[in-house]
Parts: sequence; structure tokens; C-alpha cells
Amino acid sequence: GQSLEQPSEVTAVEGAIVQINCTYQTSGFYGLSWYQQHDGGAPTFLSYNALDGLEETGRFSSFLSRSDSYGYLLLQELQMKDSASYFCAVRDQGGFKTIFGAGTRLFVKA
Amino acid sequence: DADVTQTPRNRITKTGKRIMLECSQTKGHDRMYWYRQDPGLGLRLIYYSFDVKDINKGEISDGYSVSRQAQAKFSLSLESAIPNQTALYFCATGTGGNGELFFGEGSRLTVL
Repeated sequence: GQSLEQPSEVTAVEGAIVQINCTYQTSGFYGLSWYQQHDGGAPTFLSYNALDGLEETGRFSSFLSRSDSYGYLLLQELQMKDSASYFCAVRDQGGFKTIFGAGTRLFVKA
Repeated sequence: DADVTQTPRNRITKTGKRIMLECSQTKGHDRMYWYRQDPGLGLRLIYYSFDVKDINKGEISDGYSVSRQAQAKFSLSLESAIPNQTALYFCATGTGGNGELFFGEGSRLTVL
């Protein structure tokens, strides 16, 4: 089976940097994705890592270590609008289905 | 217009009723998915489909059925709704590549 673990809540100050960790156990692995969901909205795709290393997209970066079954999402220069839930998600072997973690609620304070 | 459209957006029903949630997409994607979201549990996969002849069970398919009527349409049915199926349901589409999923706005279902 598959399981993903991420912290339930993180609080940070506007302008700071925050890291949201994700560890996973899967029977097969094709890639790790991150999604953002604001209250009342739909999840939206942020990033994808299929290989080890860091992927950077503007203020957001995502890291993957396949040997450690671990990844993280790094958010820099936090803004109030970054307050949302963040989900890590694993694509299984072959990339046929995507399984999500329970989500991390990020609170950004002024 | 939204690329992934779900109807209805909100529905209140009673235990034992049959309910259908519909999803249509204009993105031309082959892959379509139904997820259920409950507070603290994230998104759990119910069913997924790669084309009209391909239907696959996800993590929590019991009590649900689906139909892929066309490449662009994927519906989720609850044959006899029960209160613990009260949840927010999302349809999503995707391709291969980086596996990005595109979600509809969600259908909030309440079973009394």
C-alpha cells in the first residue's frame, strides 16, 4: 500500500521561509507532487519531482530524495495569501494513480 | 467557463437515496479521477479511468460506482447514500508527463 506523512499545521511570519516535509511509503514510486488548496477552493498544482534534487518555481521550491522516501516544499518570502493547505502526493509505479497526504495547514501571520 | 465542471455543486439528500455527481471536461485529457475530501484526511481516490473502456478502483471504492460515458464525461454514483458519505467530492483530469491534475470546483454532498 501507500502512505504519506506530513505535519498537520505550520505557522510562520510574513516574509519568512517555511519548509513542509513529506515522507512516504509506497509499493512503487513515479514522482512526488505538491498541491495548494485555499479554503473553499480546489487543489491546484504547484510542483513535481521525479528525480532527486531541488526544483525551483519562483518563491516555491520542492525537493526529493528517493533513497530517503522524503521530500519537502519550501516557501520563501511568505505572503498572507500563502495561507492555505498544502498536500504532497505520490504517483505510483507507472504513474497511473496519484495518492495524497492528509495535508498541512499553513498559517501566515503578519 | 471552467475546464473541469462538476454538477451539482451542493446537494443535500437522505439516507438510502441514489445520487449521481457529474463531471465534464474540455481539456481533452484521457485520465479522469474522483476524489473524496474529508477534514484531516486529505484527498482519497475513489475511482479513476484512462478511457471509456477503462475503469479502476481507488483507495475507497466501496459504496460508489462510476461511469465513463465519453472521453469528456465521468460520473460518480452512490447507489444508496449513507451519512458517512457526507463529504466534498472532487473530479480531476490529467495526462501523463508530470502528472499534473486539474480539479473541478468540487461537489459538496450532505447525507442526512
